[in-house]
Amino acid sequence: AQTVTQSQPEMSVQEAETVTLSCTYDTSESDYYLFWYKQPPSRQMILVIRQEAYKQQNATENRFSVNFQKAAKSFSLKISDSQLGDAAMYFCAYRTLPNTGNQFYFGTGTSLTVIP
Amino acid sequence: DAGVIQSPRHEVTEMGQEVTLRCKPISGHDYLFWYRQTMMRGLELLIYFNNNVPIDDSGMPEDRFSAKMPNASFSTLKIQPSEPRDSAVYFCASSSRPSGGLRNTEAFFGQGTRLTVV
Repeated sequence: AQTVTQSQPEMSVQEAETVTLSCTYDTSESDYYLFWYKQPPSRQMILVIRQEAYKQQNATENRFSVNFQKAAKSFSLKISDSQLGDAAMYFCAYRTLPNTGNQFYFGTGTSLTVIP
Repeated sequence: DAGVIQSPRHEVTEMGQEVTLRCKPISGHDYLFWYRQTMMRGLELLIYFNNNVPIDDSGMPEDRFSAKMPNASFSTLKIQPSEPRDSAVYFCASSSRPSGGLRNTEAFFGQGTRLTVV
């Protein structure tokens, strides 16, 4: 069974600094999708960044980037120049392909605090 | 599109009562997911549908939980009878089938229903 592990229940970062949130996953598939979602206090789940497993180039979206290590099954999120609005719960997620179930699996989340 | 719409946003009920949560997915999406979020377990997949057909309900905790999708624009999650341990935030999400590259790969979530069973 696929599982997603976020080993850091809580993290904090000073405003304008950089923080990295870790995520590992377990799968026997060779192709899949990976995501990071942000959940602010409003509860809304917001897509931050995504990556295809067969593309080795790390995805980047403005201040957000990932370090994708397929062999290690690791998908960490780096937030640069942290802002107060980045404070939220962050979830790592994995999606199987339609021919292998097409399910989304989520980690337990990392609560990020940004210190002014 | 207005996004995934869930109702109600909040529900407080007494133990033993029936609770029905509702979801309207994004038009054109053919996958619908129900998740339960708690502090201890994060986001747990309860059940998901493809083209209105339940595909995997192995995450449904017990027979007190049931879900239906009578048509492409509506789904319900019912708990009968409800218990205090069912208190959580319940999310509905929908997605399309991936169509090449990163197109249509993400899940879109509703605002969730916070359920409190007292």
